Amino acid sequence: AQSVTQLDSQVPVFEEAPVELRCNYSSSVSVYLFWYVQYPNQGLQLLLKYLSGSTLVKGINGFEAEFNKSQTSFHLRKPSVHISDTAEYFCAVSETTDSWGKLQFGAGTQVVVTP
Amino acid sequence: GAVVSQHPSWVICKSGTSVKIECRSLDFQATTMFWYRQFPKQSLMLMATSNEGSKATYEQGVEKDKFLINHASLTLSTLTVTSAHPEDSSFYICSATKAGEITDTQYFGPGTRLTVL
Repeated sequence: AQSVTQLDSQVPVFEEAPVELRCNYSSSVSVYLFWYVQYPNQGLQLLLKYLSGSTLVKGINGFEAEFNKSQTSFHLRKPSVHISDTAEYFCAVSETTDSWGKLQFGAGTQVVVTP
Repeated sequence: GAVVSQHPSWVICKSGTSVKIECRSLDFQATTMFWYRQFPKQSLMLMATSNEGSKATYEQGVEKDKFLINHASLTLSTLTVTSAHPEDSSFYICSATKAGEITDTQYFGPGTRLTVL
């Protein structure tokens, strides 16, 4: 079974500053990795995903993440945040051997962007 | 696109009644649909996985007789909370994977907030 750890429960950041959200995972098999964003009272929107190939993945809204297999990490970054980036961010993994693609989510990181 | 809708978006019911929540894939056929539950300020907990035409597979600790899932077609899955009680109040979110898509990316609905009085 896999597990996901998001190291920060809340990250305050000033507008136009960079932000990094940390995610570590553990699994006995290879995994796919995802970052989702959730705005208040809404479902989840896919930001980006790592399936294979280049370890640097670019997503929507200027976000990117880097897969580091040796450190079992998949940290999310954005060089300059906007007020509209205030939301909850979830890291998730699914094992490549799972035929249904079941996701295991981290606990989430609340990003609060202030002027 | 890959749009998933849920209906209703918000429902309030009395204790002891049953509530049905619909999850639809609007522009694709869904091989598999998932139902999650999310408590305030917490992560999503997978409740069950369903495939069209077959019985749902429930996660450990989820009562299958209380949370009835019907996946009647490739675009519709329903979750019925039977004899709802206040502790069932939560945010229920469904997701779906596209038929024919290799990557198993899940596309999420907007969620349904259930309040049981």
